[in-house]
Amino acid sequence: EDKVVQSPLSLVVHEGDTVTLNCSYEVTNFRSLLWYKQEKKAPTFLFMLTSSGIEKKSGRLSSILDKKELFSILNITATQTGDSAIYLCAVVIGAGSYQLTFGKGTKLSVIP
Amino acid sequence: NAGVMQNPRHLVRRRGQEARLRCSPMKGHSHVYWYRQLPEEGLKFMVYLQKENIIDESGMPKERFSAEFPKEGPSILRIQQVVRGDSAAYFCASSPGGGRYEQYFGPGTRLTVT
Repeated sequence: EDKVVQSPLSLVVHEGDTVTLNCSYEVTNFRSLLWYKQEKKAPTFLFMLTSSGIEKKSGRLSSILDKKELFSILNITATQTGDSAIYLCAVVIGAGSYQLTFGKGTKLSVIP
Repeated sequence: NAGVMQNPRHLVRRRGQEARLRCSPMKGHSHVYWYRQLPEEGLKFMVYLQKENIIDESGMPKERFSAEFPKEGPSILRIQQVVRGDSAAYFCASSPGGGRYEQYFGPGTRLTVT
């Protein structure tokens, strides 16, 4: 059975800290890995990673994929209270159907 | 550039009634996905559609649930004879296709069955 596991499940940090969120996967027919940020509404797309070892960056957020070890990390530097959210990792699997298999998410709380 | 639109945002139904959830994909997107998020659980895939075709419905319950994406108009997820266990947030996502897998999500419809 396809599986996506995120850790930690929750995390509390102070503003200015750097955090690393983890996502490991065991799936058949891997295509891509995606990160989303979910506040009290729709998941917002952050990154899509397809190739190993290539870092994607957007402002204070960055992510990298290791296809050999089957995991990805999402880094957030200089955290702000607005970064508080649930961060979701999802994997695109299969041939012909590009459904996402999600992990349960990491709930990040940034306190002033 | 409007994002994915869903309506209604909140829907209350009594047990046994029908629920119809609508989704309009982003402009230029021809692939639509429906996901369900139960309390304290992750998002689960239900169905993947392109215009007038169901491509993958492997995540959809066999009974009472159906989905369509007609040539004109929004995609519709229909739940007949709702039960309390159907209470959840239902999210629609769209993607451009053509080898691009990233999916953009709508705000969701929160269904409550009383």
